[in-house]
Amino acid sequence: EAEVAQSPRYKITEKSQAVAFWCDPISGHATLYWYRQILGQGPELLVQFQDESVVDDSQLPKDRFSAERLKGVDSTLKIQPAELGDSAMYLCASSLQQGGEQYFGPGTRLTVT
Amino acid sequence: GQQLNQSPQSMFIQEGEDVSMNCTSSSIFNTWLWYKQEPGEGPVLLIALYKAGELTSNGRLTAQFGITRKDSFLNISASIPSDVGIYFCAGPMNTGFQKLVFGTGTRLLVSP
Repeated sequence: EAEVAQSPRYKITEKSQAVAFWCDPISGHATLYWYRQILGQGPELLVQFQDESVVDDSQLPKDRFSAERLKGVDSTLKIQPAELGDSAMYLCASSLQQGGEQYFGPGTRLTVT
Repeated sequence: GQQLNQSPQSMFIQEGEDVSMNCTSSSIFNTWLWYKQEPGEGPVLLIALYKAGELTSNGRLTAQFGITRKDSFLNISASIPSDVGIYFCAGPMNTGFQKLVFGTGTRLLVSP
């Protein structure tokens, strides 16, 4: 069964350092999403791609976060510099099209010390 | 941001019991999705609903799309310990890029 892949699964970094997460969506899924999830809450959308284009990054803290999906397949989310408040689960999801069923990867648990 | 309200917030039940939870919104949704999330993992899609009044099953899980299109329900029959997790409802907004809005979650604990 096709799955969304994410790496690393866990990341510990010191504040002010740079950190990057990678996501490989289900093959053929045009829409890719990055979410942040605080413990005990539902995921919140950071950025949405349609193929290689960003279609919604209204909730992305652009002073420190960046995301790219250069060839419209896999994607990278970067934080520079990391802050203590960035500690959270970062989830990637993909869907065939906008508004379709979203399938999530296992997530990256980030701890900033 | 906008959230869907889920109840109950948490449940602690005995193995074998049936479970019911619901999700409500002040806005109309055209699709309802139910996810289960286990600790340290990403949400897993359980059931998708597309039509008001629709009743859909997936094994011991049954979900319904409310007639008003402002609510949805999830039932789990004959619960087992591996049902433990947080259950989220979600729905794509009807505007813009159909951003997925998540519920507040129902935490389920099952005692053997």
